[in-house]
Amino acid sequence: EADIYQTPRYLVIGTGKKITLECSQTMGHDKMYWYQQDPGMELHLIHYSYGVNSTEKGDLSSESTVSRIRTEHFPLTLESARPSHTSQYLCASSPLGTGSPYNEQFFGPGTRLTVL
Amino acid sequence: GENVEQHPSTLSVQEGDSAVIKCTYSDSASNYFPWYKQELGKGPQLIIDIRSNVGEKKDQRIAVTLNKTAKHFSLHITETQPEDSAVYFCAAGYNQGGKLIFGQGTELSVKP
Repeated sequence: EADIYQTPRYLVIGTGKKITLECSQTMGHDKMYWYQQDPGMELHLIHYSYGVNSTEKGDLSSESTVSRIRTEHFPLTLESARPSHTSQYLCASSPLGTGSPYNEQFFGPGTRLTVL
Repeated sequence: GENVEQHPSTLSVQEGDSAVIKCTYSDSASNYFPWYKQELGKGPQLIIDIRSNVGEKKDQRIAVTLNKTAKHFSLHITETQPEDSAVYFCAAGYNQGGKLIFGQGTELSVKP
């Protein structure tokens, strides 16, 4: 069982609210990722970080922002939530290094966000 | 850009039958190909992976094959059981780790 946690697990919120989705891991992993998962299942990378104070945008454009002030913590923030942000958000982490076991990404359980 | 195509999107089999899921990738520099299983209400979990210096890898009832020339790889599950029912994702990446490009997912249903 991977030691990566996401809170809240479910969030229903009104349009225009600011929200922060929390992600923490206790494995000391340098690399962390945020994915947005469609109702149709597909995973889209929206942000990633390869270490403290390092963040990059992923392949899918997102209005969210992230920060990486501590190795174990990678929160995602939406300044003004909209119905189009309704989705499942998955956080993952992987260790720094080449080859096995450094490739494996460990996923959290996800946050299901609904914006009314 | 980099792309991974996965088929089929849904697959229904009888318990005990085999299931095969296929993926193709576009980036010829990719050399790491993992498969993830996602159960309802959970995040994806790695079940098997293969690197470009290996053509086939097996772990009990699951096996993965890789054809680097054709840029495709497949997941084979034999003697399927109801607990194999889940969404399966293929992905492509690099041996030095980092970003993965995921396929669209396959919802496997194993009927008892």
